[in-house]
Amino acid sequence: DVKVTQSSRYLVKRTGEKVFLECVQDMDHENMFWYRQDPGLGLRLIYFSYDVKMKEKGDIPEGYSVSREKKERFSLILESASTNQTSMYLCASSLRGYYGYTFGSGTRLTVV
Amino acid sequence: GNSVTQMEGPVTLSEEAFLTINCTYTATGYPSLFWYVQYPGEGLQLLLKATKADDKGSNKGFEATYRKETTSFHLEKGSVQVSDSAVYFCALILYNNNDMRFGAGTRLTVKP
Repeated sequence: DVKVTQSSRYLVKRTGEKVFLECVQDMDHENMFWYRQDPGLGLRLIYFSYDVKMKEKGDIPEGYSVSREKKERFSLILESASTNQTSMYLCASSLRGYYGYTFGSGTRLTVV
Repeated sequence: GNSVTQMEGPVTLSEEAFLTINCTYTATGYPSLFWYVQYPGEGLQLLLKATKADDKGSNKGFEATYRKETTSFHLEKGSVQVSDSAVYFCALILYNNNDMRFGAGTRLTVKP
């Protein structure tokens, strides 16, 4: 089975810190995604990547950036964390979208 | 645009009750349809999918039929268990597209 691993389950960071969320997949998937999940708002796409060094903005990219230097790894970067970025962050990957996505277990980030 | 609307929760049922969670979609093309399940503290897991009209996806006693005429993909289970308590997401994606659209999620609680 495809496995998507997010490096941390829980993180607590201070306002203004630079935060890195790491995601690794082990099945050579081309496509990788970062979502945030908030109560009442569902899943919102932050960024996605369809190839190494390629990235596309999703619905809510403001305050975030991403890096994909290797095919298996997709990093989400909060340049200067703010309290409104407290959320559950979900990484996903896919070979072809219509096969479905495989999600990681999520990182619950709290910014204080 | 492409979007998914699913019934609002929360839904509370007794064990062995029949479950229906409604999902309708709007799409500019011919989508593939999915149901994902999220257990507490976890990421999303693919539950079932259907790629063309009249296809029935099934898994773990859950079923959903792709109805093009009513643009629907309702999730059903004949007899729910306490272990089915989770949040359920309906989703769609167009062929050769990397933009999966999710519904807002429906929280199901099953009581013994």
